[in-house]
Amino acid sequence: LAKTTQPISMDSYEGQEVNITCSHNNIATNDYITWYQQFPSQGPRFIIQGYKTKVTNEVASLFIPADRKSSTLSLPRVSLSDTAVYYCLVGDTGKLIFGQGTTLQVKP
Amino acid sequence: GAVVSQHPSRVICKSGTSVKIECRSLDFQATTMFWYRQFPKQSLMLMATSNEGSKATYEQGVEKDKFLINHASLTLSTLTVTSAHPEDSSFYICSARVGRDQETQYFGPGTRLLVL
Repeated sequence: LAKTTQPISMDSYEGQEVNITCSHNNIATNDYITWYQQFPSQGPRFIIQGYKTKVTNEVASLFIPADRKSSTLSLPRVSLSDTAVYYCLVGDTGKLIFGQGTTLQVKP
Repeated sequence: GAVVSQHPSRVICKSGTSVKIECRSLDFQATTMFWYRQFPKQSLMLMATSNEGSKATYEQGVEKDKFLINHASLTLSTLTVTSAHPEDSSFYICSARVGRDQETQYFGPGTRLLVL
């Protein structure tokens, strides 16, 4: 299982775009990259998933370079309610091993 | 998206008793479910993989006789914490895998267990 590395914390202000980068140098050919959001005392919520290039949905974009050794989650125009922990995971075998995630603090 | 529920959402029990936590996939069938534990200010730790109709696969260091997992149907997996002790107090979260070709897991809301 590929290990991931993310910044432990990030600060932003309301209305700004936030980009969280995750490194996964040992990603395997069959691995997908998935991002989750977790609020305190809640289960993680699926945000977005991708394999290569760019993926966009109603809440975020995921940028994956050609070598797939990293990925960037982009949150447009964050609000206070986006304050949460964001996890980047890679895998295909069914097991997801969570790292420490990135604690995003959005300030007014 | 796929919905996963857990019951109960929180439970308080006395030391030595057993507690059962249910995980249900509400709008899809899940041949594989996963159980995680999360302590305060920490990340999720995978405890075991629950496969419908077969024995669960436990991660290293997780006692299978203490954390009994049953996945009797395609929509229900249960985790029973046997002879619970205060150190078992934690946030237990289940997830269910959707799809076969790519890795998408949907998580339940979690169950807060407090053992007195």
